[in-house]
Amino acid sequence: DVKVTQSSRYLVKRTGEKVFLECVQDMDHENMFWYRQDPGLGLRLIYFSYDVKMKEKGDIPEGYSVSREKKERFSLILESASTNQTSMYLCASSSRMEETQYFGPGTRLLVL
Amino acid sequence: GEDVEQSLFLSVREGDSSVINCTYTDSSSTYLYWYKQEPGAGLQLLTYIFSNMDMKQDQRLTVLLNKKDKHLSLRIADTQTGDSAIYFCAEAGGTSYGKLTFGQGTILTVHP
Repeated sequence: DVKVTQSSRYLVKRTGEKVFLECVQDMDHENMFWYRQDPGLGLRLIYFSYDVKMKEKGDIPEGYSVSREKKERFSLILESASTNQTSMYLCASSSRMEETQYFGPGTRLLVL
Repeated sequence: GEDVEQSLFLSVREGDSSVINCTYTDSSSTYLYWYKQEPGAGLQLLTYIFSNMDMKQDQRLTVLLNKKDKHLSLRIADTQTGDSAIYFCAEAGGTSYGKLTFGQGTILTVHP
């Protein structure tokens, strides 16, 4: 079974803090994705990566950065957290051979 | 860009059939997906259909695809309270790196 794990289920941070969200997959997938989920807006793609050290902006990259130093790990960084970044963050991965994405359990982030 | 639309809410009685609808705009879609999200969890792949198929059945789930109208539906037979969740439609447009475009999600509520 594909397993995608995220470092925290719940996080509470203060405005201006630097926040790291970690995602690890164990299926040797080339592609990894970060989404945020807000009610009524569905999933919006923040960044994705198709290989180690490679990254591409998604639809809403502003205020975020990412890091992919190892194939299995993809990190989302909020350089200076703001209240409008309070959301559910979902990580996903897929292989180059098929487009099906497999999701982690999500991290619910609250920025005060 | 690509767009995927779903109605936001559906309410059914236990034992009835549920039909969740989705429309998309990308005529180059290769695969279309249905994901389920239970409260507080990540997305779980339910089923998918290749764009050259009209129908796919998997136990209680039936997916219908009308490629001409760019309309996708998910029918759940004999709906149970455990089917209460958010259902997301997603399409893979054949773009690089396995990107998916998601709808807003339909909240299915099943009443006893």
